[in-house]
Amino acid sequence: GDSVTQMEGPVTLSEEAFLTINCTYTATGYPSLFWYVQYPGEGLQLLLKATKADDKGSNKGFEATYRKETTSFHLEKGSVQVSDSAVYFCALIRNTPLVFGKGTRLSVIA
Amino acid sequence: GAGVSQSPSNKVTEKGKDVELRCDPISGHTALYWYRQSLGQGLEFLIYFQGNSAPDKSGLPSDRFSAERTGGSVSTLTIQRTQQEDSAVYLCASSWLPGQGYEQYFGPGTRLTVT
Repeated sequence: GDSVTQMEGPVTLSEEAFLTINCTYTATGYPSLFWYVQYPGEGLQLLLKATKADDKGSNKGFEATYRKETTSFHLEKGSVQVSDSAVYFCALIRNTPLVFGKGTRLSVIA
Repeated sequence: GAGVSQSPSNKVTEKGKDVELRCDPISGHTALYWYRQSLGQGLEFLIYFQGNSAPDKSGLPSDRFSAERTGGSVSTLTIQRTQQEDSAVYLCASSWLPGQGYEQYFGPGTRLTVT
């Protein structure tokens, strides 16, 4: 079945550091890909998405590019802030339910 | 407008008791989903509704779990004879229609603790 694998956390970075969280997927066909974020004490929010190969999703300084050849959707941000501390989930959808990775906890220290 | 709401926000129950978790989707959304977030397992799909019907119940972990949706709106997830492994955060999401093209909006979740 479909699956998503993302890098294990936790990840701890200093403010203004470069962030990469790796995500790879296994799916037949052409899934849509997502990054969701869960801030402390809050619900899950869509951060960005890409619906076809070579699409780049971007939001709040975060970016991810849908790479079909490497079945990847890595999340990047050039300069993280303390307020980016959260758990990040990579996910795909092909039919109806979202399929999530296990999440990566990011802590950004000042 | 109001987002997806869930109640209660927290529930502590004794092993063997039944619990009901409620989800109020965004008004007008025809598709409703239940997911479970537990330590070590990440986020798992449980069941989804299109209107009042549940075309996909494949994620329900056992027959102790059931869900219904009435009036194409509110949904209730019921767990009978709760076990400690049922402890998790139960998330509800809704979308205008099911499928790949429609964003799912999540509620804040119900944290269930079985003692």
